[in-house]
Amino acid sequence: DIQMTQSPSSLSASVGDRVTITCRASQGISNSLAWYQQEPGRAPKVLLYSTSILESGVPSRFSGSGSGTDYALTISSLQPEDFATYYCQQYYTITPTFGQGTKLEIK
Amino acid sequence: QVQLVESGGGLVKSGESLSLSCTTSGFSFSDYYMIWIRQVPGKGLEFVSSISSRGTTKYYAESVEGRFTTSRDNARKSLFLQMNSLRAEDTAIYYCARSYGSSWYNPIRYWGQGTLVTVSS
Repeated sequence: DIQMTQSPSSLSASVGDRVTITCRASQGISNSLAWYQQEPGRAPKVLLYSTSILESGVPSRFSGSGSGTDYALTISSLQPEDFATYYCQQYYTITPTFGQGTKLEIK
Repeated sequence: QVQLVESGGGLVKSGESLSLSCTTSGFSFSDYYMIWIRQVPGKGLEFVSSISSRGTTKYYAESVEGRFTTSRDNARKSLFLQMNSLRAEDTAIYYCARSYGSSWYNPIRYWGQGTLVTVSS
């Protein structure tokens, strides 16, 4: 299985901050990378896929970048509703794998 | 709109069996492969199993291979997960999910609300 390593595992930030979460795959995944946001007690929700394509309805302050094995999710100006846990996922292989998650907390 | 609703979770003892269901609506169920994902409360997400649109091809995580069986009924627009020989480490919220596209290599677009399975030792 492809291992996905996310960093940091937790992040404390303030409303209005710009934050970046990174995800490294154990082998190249050809941009087959999605990002999900999960609020407590809720199912995950897709934010971006194919590295940088924004899901319909997701605010443009979310963006994705990367290639090969290294990918990133950037939130340009944090809003109160953005404090949640974020997961990356590769779907390059038949059995998808997820990063361990990044919990974004209010400073 | 697309809806996925899981049911069947509960508390069982180690070694027992449990069957989960996922009823769907709002899309052409028979056109999509479907996925089971689980999450230990407070922990990360783990692929469990996937099944092709016709139910002829299935994949399983190593951790459940040989104990869990995924199936589907396209006429009833439903997905199932039969879980046998349950272990304490199978305790998790189980999500039914659908991808963006009809081929295997697609991200997940829709998730159910999840159903909690608790296995006591």
